[in-house]
Amino acid sequence: QKEVEQDPGPLSVPEGAIVSLNCTYSNSAFQYFMWYRQYSRKGPELLMYTYSSGNKEDGRFTAQVDKSSKYISLFIRDSQPSDSATYLCAMSATAGANSKLTFGKGITLSVRP
Amino acid sequence: NAGVTQTPKFQVLKTGQSMTLQCAQDMNHNSMYWYRQDPGMGLRLIYYSASEGTTDKGEVPNGYNVSRLNKREFSLRLESAAPSQTSVYFCASSRHSGSGANVLTFGAGSRLTVL
Repeated sequence: QKEVEQDPGPLSVPEGAIVSLNCTYSNSAFQYFMWYRQYSRKGPELLMYTYSSGNKEDGRFTAQVDKSSKYISLFIRDSQPSDSATYLCAMSATAGANSKLTFGKGITLSVRP
Repeated sequence: NAGVTQTPKFQVLKTGQSMTLQCAQDMNHNSMYWYRQDPGMGLRLIYYSASEGTTDKGEVPNGYNVSRLNKREFSLRLESAAPSQTSVYFCASSRHSGSGANVLTFGAGSRLTVL
């Protein structure tokens, strides 16, 4: 079992839809959880991060962590064509520069106008 | 404020040739990283440098060498390129948030093809 599993997609939704992107993980030591967004032919950029369990909201985006189920989600409300990108989850067990980040493989989202 | 700058953006090599990918950051970050991204494989860490003067192997270091030239610059060298090294290479640097998460800032990537 891979440490981090992410639905491979791709995912296509109409504009205005609510999108749910998910990752599962096997390492119970993970406590830092991040979502990166990567536009085509660009580098990933941090979208949101959370520490331990709970929810975090930023505009149309909500990150949710359920450590008991080893499951994290990113919700996008009122999705826009500009949200079309690849979304990667990432997580680590420790803090600091030496912490090893484990990435999911990414899911490509397309929002149709 | 440029962030993380990688050169070259594109490169085609023949098997056995050598080359160096350059990376520079202007955010005064201590830590720098090299990743490769392949279809179906996600991002995999090649090497990292937690601070100036130190380098460590990541998940897939074979066939690569790195140099942390100074705080700003971190280069990746392929001594004898192989077709398996065809990939998109990303350099990143990191700050530490108040919660301690290792937040990475990535460059735009370098697309390497080895024939």
